[in-house]
Amino acid sequence: NAGVTQTPKFQVLKTGQSMTLQCAQDMNHEYMSWYRQDPGMGLRLIHYSVGAGITDQGEVPNGYNVSRSTTEDFPLRLLSAAPSQTSVYFCASSGAGELFFGEGSRLTVL
Amino acid sequence: DQQVKQNSPSLSVQEGRISILNCDYTNSMFDYFLWYKKYPAEGPTFLISISSIKDKNEDGRFTVFLNKSAKHLSLHIVPSQPGDSAVYFCAASGEVEGNMLTFGGGTRLMVKP
Repeated sequence: NAGVTQTPKFQVLKTGQSMTLQCAQDMNHEYMSWYRQDPGMGLRLIHYSVGAGITDQGEVPNGYNVSRSTTEDFPLRLLSAAPSQTSVYFCASSGAGELFFGEGSRLTVL
Repeated sequence: DQQVKQNSPSLSVQEGRISILNCDYTNSMFDYFLWYKKYPAEGPTFLISISSIKDKNEDGRFTVFLNKSAKHLSLHIVPSQPGDSAVYFCAASGEVEGNMLTFGGGTRLMVKP
């Protein structure tokens, strides 16, 4: 009963490095999204997808890329990491209304 | 400017008493509201929701109240239990946004035994 799976759970990067946060869901949900959680700011939407081949920007998209080649996978790419991207990242999926979240990926950029 | 606000970053309550968590929103296009609960090192999990056509929704110890004219909703937990200690996020969406949720900043609830 996996639900939404994120990897890695922890990552430390140096400024300027790139990396990809992986997200997979096994619920056959069309909608997937990425949020970042920062203290006092709740969860802010980075990018979302309403189905394979379709992605769009959320509230805070700068510095991040996404793609959706399959229904199951929705990776988030950091092109050139910056200290401002230090955060906890959550992937979520939804069939209708309620979002199911992964356990989160804690990223530190030095 | 935050469209969904939770003005109390933390709340401490005695076990057995009522916990009341508040949430305000500014976007009148929001018509669906949710509460999520988050434990440390875990993802948020759905708790309860309410549609704008209702003013109350109850699920066991949890009740959500919606006051559309005041653009305010609240979550009541009665009776509070130590296992309820977590961060609670209020979220909202509109018919146009569909699955896209706008979250408040969260309230950390501590229930003391």
